[in-house]
Amino acid sequence: KQEVTQIPAALSVPEGENLVLNCSFTDSAIYNLQWFRQDPGKGLTSLLLIQSSQREQTSGRLNASLDKSSGRSTLYIAASQPGDSATYLCAVGGFQKLVFGTGTRLLVSP
Amino acid sequence: GAVVSQHPSRVICKSGTSVKIECRSLDFQATTMFWYRQFPKKSLMLMATSNEGSKATYEQGVEKDKFLINHASLTLSTLTVTSAHPEDSSFYICSAGLAGGGGELFFGEGSRLTVL
Repeated sequence: KQEVTQIPAALSVPEGENLVLNCSFTDSAIYNLQWFRQDPGKGLTSLLLIQSSQREQTSGRLNASLDKSSGRSTLYIAASQPGDSATYLCAVGGFQKLVFGTGTRLLVSP
Repeated sequence: GAVVSQHPSRVICKSGTSVKIECRSLDFQATTMFWYRQFPKKSLMLMATSNEGSKATYEQGVEKDKFLINHASLTLSTLTVTSAHPEDSSFYICSAGLAGGGGELFFGEGSRLTVL
């Protein structure tokens, strides 16, 4: 059974810092890995999708990497801003069937 | 990206009543939609896979008779919580993916259910 863990569970940083969120999974036989953002009481916004054959994806200040063999993914956020404050979830799994991690709650203070 | 819409965003009901939540794909057709449940400060748990024109596939431990799923068209799936109980209070989120989209899923805004 696939298990997904995210570290740290919570992170508080001053504005402008570069930061790394970690995601690990137990079964390397994945179809893809997706990073989401969730604001309090809201749904999920897809940030980045990495196919199992890819090593990384970039969108603006966000960069996600995938090391399938070691069961790890990282989400790198450059020059963090207060608007980045949210919960970040990674999800792995088979085609369109995702197993979610427990999330990292990020707070970026001005 | 594709847009998935849920309605209502918030609903309060009395114990014993039934509540219906709608999930619509606004700008694409979805033969498959997914329903998730999220407890406070917890991650999302897949409840069931909604298949257009056929029965939903439920995850282990999810009561089929309590959580009725109907996927009558390519743009609409509904989740009905029957005989609601306070323990059914939760945040319910649906998702759908684009055909040929590489498995990327798009999520609705979620529906907060409170059962009194």
